[in-house]
Amino acid sequence: AQSVTQPDIHITVSEGASLELRCNYSYGATPYLFWYVQSPGQGLQLLLKYFSGDTLVQGIKGFEAEFKRSQSSFNLRKPSVHWSDAAEYFCAVYSMGGGSNYKLTFGKGTLLTVNP
Amino acid sequence: DGGITQSPKYLFRKEGQNVTLSCEQNLNHDAMYWYRQDPGQGLRLIYYSQIVNDFQKGDIAEGYSVSREKKESFPLTVTSAQKNPTAFYLCASSTLRDSPLHFGNGTRLTVT
Repeated sequence: AQSVTQPDIHITVSEGASLELRCNYSYGATPYLFWYVQSPGQGLQLLLKYFSGDTLVQGIKGFEAEFKRSQSSFNLRKPSVHWSDAAEYFCAVYSMGGGSNYKLTFGKGTLLTVNP
Repeated sequence: DGGITQSPKYLFRKEGQNVTLSCEQNLNHDAMYWYRQDPGQGLRLIYYSQIVNDFQKGDIAEGYSVSREKKESFPLTVTSAQKNPTAFYLCASSTLRDSPLHFGNGTRLTVT
């Protein structure tokens, strides 16, 4: 079965420091991968997506992610974190549901705390 | 502005009562989804629908029901059979296949 693992439940960084959030996926075919961010009590906002092509993808708010097939990973990075980046981050992969249906499977999330 | 509207934002019910959560979209998206979010559990898929009058069970469909009579609407009913209904419920939509999901702002359901 398709799955997504985010090994870090909670990460704390200082403002201005670099950030890397880890994501590993399990999916037999070429994966379609996403990173979303969620502020408390809100819905999810798409940060970036990978479908094919260049393995380094750029997203909104200065985030980027690199797809590494050999490691089954899609880690999210940001060179310099801002206090407003404090939120929960979710990695997700599209997978086959029943018949020809597709569904999006999410990891359990990584909560990011930013210290001043 | 186009988007997904979930109402109400907060909902309180007594145990044993069915409750229906509303989800409406004006994005002209074909696919709609319901997720449940609990602390530390991420998002778990309840039901999804890719065309009108058709829907599929997700990973945790027991105790829930849905309908898709109109493209714009995908209401979720939490029945009394759902053992732990208190949670944050998120509705989402997308164009067909492989497209990013657009999310509503969620409904927090509390059952006592």
